[in-house]
Formats: sequence, structure tokens, C-alpha cells
Amino acid sequence: QVQLKESGPGLVQPSQTLSLTCTVSGFSLTNNSVHWVRQPPGKGLEWVGAIWSGGSTDYNSTLKSRLSISRDTSKSQVFLKMNSLLTEDTAIYFCTRYPPDNYPFAYWGQGTLVTVSS
Amino acid sequence: DIQMTQSPSSMSASLGDRVTITCQASQDIGNNLIWFQQTPGKSPRPMIYFATNLANGVPSRFSGSRSGSDYSLTISSLESEDLADYHCLQYKQYPLTFGSGTKLEIK
Repeated sequence: QVQLKESGPGLVQPSQTLSLTCTVSGFSLTNNSVHWVRQPPGKGLEWVGAIWSGGSTDYNSTLKSRLSISRDTSKSQVFLKMNSLLTEDTAIYFCTRYPPDNYPFAYWGQGTLVTVSS
Repeated sequence: DIQMTQSPSSMSASLGDRVTITCQASQDIGNNLIWFQQTPGKSPRPMIYFATNLANGVPSRFSGSRSGSDYSLTISSLESEDLADYHCLQYKQYPLTFGSGTKLEIK
């Protein structure tokens, strides 16, 4: 069945780089896009970016200068890297699937909390 | 970017009440809107997609509608398990944008 699971460091210092991994199963990254969405504690959802089935990417314009999304299709993994972290980047980061043949975002990972603090 | 103005930000209702939450889009998004339900500590769950279609496994008391640029999620008869945050998302244009969310509490 379709599954996504985020993993990451939990705590990152300000100005450092965040690296997250979304490991998927039950579908192919070459046929589906994967998106990242984040949610600061107690706040709403924010779309972060996406990697499409062909490997191209789209980013939230407010994060674009600090953000990179890539993938390793052989390992069924999608990577998010964000540099120059700010305390405002503290959030739960989710990855979610957008299939080509059905409505988007039916499947989500459980999310991983990233705290930016010294 | 398309702005999604969601209201109310919070509301309290009694069991059995009819509840409506609204999102207004700043530009044309057609029917490219999803309503999500999110309970504490959980990932968002799609409830309505394409503005009016019930997602798999969602109770029939939930419905979605559209009037011009206004999109609504309605719960016809509120049940205790509906206590949650609700979010709208437009996926017509990138960057995708969410509404600010509605916290639904039970009186």
C-alpha cells in the first residue's frame, strides 16, 4: 500500500542547513510527484515545494532562494534541503503524494518536527 | 500568488448543528480546491476534492459547494468526531496556497 515517511534531525541550529528525507513505498517516483508541506506549531499549513515525476521542481517563492528538492528514484527517496535556517522555519514537515490519475494529497507521511534553536 | 481567505478562524457548535466553513479565492481556481480535516497530532485528511466531490471513506454528512469564488464545506449534522481543524487548498496554480484554517470546537 501507499506509504510515505519523513525522517530528519529534529533539532537544527539557526543559520545551519536542514536535510530531510521522505521515503516512499507502494508507488513509483517516476510516475508520481511528491510535495512538501510544513506547519509551524499551532499554525496553518504552508506548501513548501514539489518534485515532479520527470524530476523538475517547483518551490514556494518565499523559500526558493534557500530550498532544494531532489530525489533518488532507485531508493524511492525524496530529499529536502533548506539552508540559512531561521527560528521561523520551526515546523512539522510533511511529504505527500500527487498521483497522475487521482486527486492529490490523499496520502501523507506522519510528519517530522524540526526545531530551529541554538 | 492566489490568496485563500478562510472564515471563520474558529467556531463552536453543538452536536447535531449544521456547520459551514468558507474559503474565498482571490483569482479563478475553477473547482481545483480540496478541503482537509486535521485532528491533533495527525496529518491532514482530504474530505472534499474538486470542490464538491466526497473523498473515499468520508461520511455523507460532509459536503462541498461553490458559488463563484466562494467555496464552502458543510457538515449537515455535527458529530463529536468532527472536532478538528479544517483547511482549504487551491491547486489550480503554483505556488499552491492554503487557507488559514478553521478550528471547530464542540459546545
